[in-house]
Amino acid sequence: QKEVEQNSGPLSVPEGAIASLNCTYSDRVSQSFFWYRQYSGKSPELIMSIYSNGDKEDGRFTAQLNKASQYVSLLIRDSQPSDSATYLCAVKGTDSWGKLQFGAGTQVVVTP
Amino acid sequence: GAVVSQHPSRVICKSGTSVKIECRSLDFQATTMFWYRQFPKQSLMLMATSNEGSKATYEQGVEKDKFLINHASLTLSTLTVTSAHPEDSSFYICSARSTSGGLDEQFFGPGTRLTVL
Repeated sequence: QKEVEQNSGPLSVPEGAIASLNCTYSDRVSQSFFWYRQYSGKSPELIMSIYSNGDKEDGRFTAQLNKASQYVSLLIRDSQPSDSATYLCAVKGTDSWGKLQFGAGTQVVVTP
Repeated sequence: GAVVSQHPSRVICKSGTSVKIECRSLDFQATTMFWYRQFPKQSLMLMATSNEGSKATYEQGVEKDKFLINHASLTLSTLTVTSAHPEDSSFYICSARSTSGGLDEQFFGPGTRLTVL
């Protein structure tokens, strides 16, 4: 079983709709969770971090965390073609260096 | 977010030569930096963890004598690919760990695309 799992997609979303991305993780003691966006040929960009159960909103992005279910999600409201990218879910491990465990990423395609 | 730079952004070299890649945290100090490699259409693969003032820690299967890492200061880590071969051609990306403001986040550099002929 992979430590961080995401659906690979592609997730096709009409422009203006909500994109919903899901991520599950296996290490129950994980405390820090991140969403990165990676455009094709570019490096990942941090878009959200979440540490507590519940929702965290930042602009059109909302991260949701449920530690009991070991589940973290990302909602993208009013999706735009510029949101077309691969979204990586990352979970900080328990080692002292703060290594991240990444999911394989979900490709999102926003269609005009 | 914090800014991390990498240099060069792109390098083409002949087989057998060595290539050095620099990773700098521009507006914060990073005691820990990470080096990743990513092949086309594949996931990020962590190669090593770089700690300022100490030896790097390599992931299983990564040759430490081939991928030399030096973290000489709180803002600079370097990765040297020694005796590069075509199979080393890849996208190398560093990230720097920021623990300021009570947060603990990693920010990525723009990456270095290495092509070995």
